[in-house]
Amino acid sequence: NAGVTQTPKFQVLKTGQSMTLQCAQDMNHNSMYWYRQDPGMGLRLIYYSASEGTTDKGEVPNGYNVSRLNKREFSLRLESAAPSQTSVYFCASRTGTSGSEQYFGPGTRLTVT
Amino acid sequence: KQEVTQIPAALSVPEGENLVLNCSFTDSAIYNLQWFRQDPGKGLTSLLLIQSSQREQTSGRLNASLDKSSGRSTLYIAASQPGDSATYLCAVKEGSGAGSYQLTFGKGTKLSVIP
Repeated sequence: NAGVTQTPKFQVLKTGQSMTLQCAQDMNHNSMYWYRQDPGMGLRLIYYSASEGTTDKGEVPNGYNVSRLNKREFSLRLESAAPSQTSVYFCASRTGTSGSEQYFGPGTRLTVT
Repeated sequence: KQEVTQIPAALSVPEGENLVLNCSFTDSAIYNLQWFRQDPGKGLTSLLLIQSSQREQTSGRLNASLDKSSGRSTLYIAASQPGDSATYLCAVKEGSGAGSYQLTFGKGTKLSVIP
């Protein structure tokens, strides 16, 4: 049981390049989330998907798009990367039932130069 | 807007000591509170989840308490070990509404347990 997996683990982009961060969970969870973690800022929610077929903006959605491809997979796309998007990105999932806990992936460390 | 504060930002204790980490939140209308552990360069590991109707949860040497009315939670670690060294984060989930799926995180307490 792998839990929540993320690819790639590390990535360096140049300003203006695009890329997609992949996330998959094998726990049959309904809800999935993308967070970014920056020094001194804590974790902030970018987008979430409460269930398959739905996505909603979180606290810091600008510059990102998401796709809930199926129940297992939730991708995060940067269309035109900016240095301000240098961060560690975490994907998380939960069952979606009231009160359930979130489980996190290992993170993707992204540097935009 | 909910704000979560963790004090202190860093804590260093000798091995074997019992310790308490603090978490406070500004809006007491929370649905639950979750404590996480994060090792350097790693993801978050869930330690304990306390529902708003509960007062505490225990797992091994860890005990988390919740006082919703005062906006506080504590994580008690008994008989600390060097392997407990990590950053501990608390996060609150608010009630129903547009933000109901969102966790609001504190910035964490970095714990160092000295052998």
